[in-house]
Amino acid sequence: EAGVTQSPTHLIKTRGQQATLRCSPISGHTSVYWYQQALGLGLQFLLWYDEGEERNRGNFPPRFSGRQFPNYSSELNVNALELEDSALYLCASSKGTAGEPQHFGDGTRLSIL
Amino acid sequence: EDQVTQSPEALRLQEGESSSLNCSYTVSGLRGLFWYRQDPGKGPEFLFTLYSAGEEKEKERLKATLTKKESFLHITAPKPEDSATYLCAVQRGGADGLTFGKGTHLIIQP
Repeated sequence: EAGVTQSPTHLIKTRGQQATLRCSPISGHTSVYWYQQALGLGLQFLLWYDEGEERNRGNFPPRFSGRQFPNYSSELNVNALELEDSALYLCASSKGTAGEPQHFGDGTRLSIL
Repeated sequence: EDQVTQSPEALRLQEGESSSLNCSYTVSGLRGLFWYRQDPGKGPEFLFTLYSAGEEKEKERLKATLTKKESFLHITAPKPEDSATYLCAVQRGGADGLTFGKGTHLIIQP
């Protein structure tokens, strides 16, 4: 069974640009989650999508947004990039039931110059 | 606000030297406590879910336990391949995002 896949692996942008990150969940999983893992800060919850709807978001500004497509894949958009947005962005998927484990991809490394 | 604190931040052991990692948590309405292992350059790999105080789960050299305030990950006779960062996370009501601790960086020396 294929795991969670993310693309691209690495992304280099400059301040003020926009970035789009993509995620394909495990087959049969309806929930997709996005996390930011910045150096020294640990994993921070960004967004949760289920059945095409945004269900919850963490403590991040509105320039972090995304969507979930009918095939349950998802994309994360980050507008007006800032230097502190440099981080590993991880996508996870689950069956969408409380208490079900989330399974992670290997992330997109976003570097802002 | 949900909080997860892991200790120690780093731990260096000799091969075969057993030890425990701690995860203290504060959350209203715990739905699940999760343990993950993360290798450099990789995403977290799921290890265990614990749902209620008193529950225990085992996998190879790892055993996770849960009380109302903390969880322990016991590592018995570790091998160098057990070297990784171990992450603890909690989930409150619903299938919501997880709140993670900062992890314990474990090094097992041969």
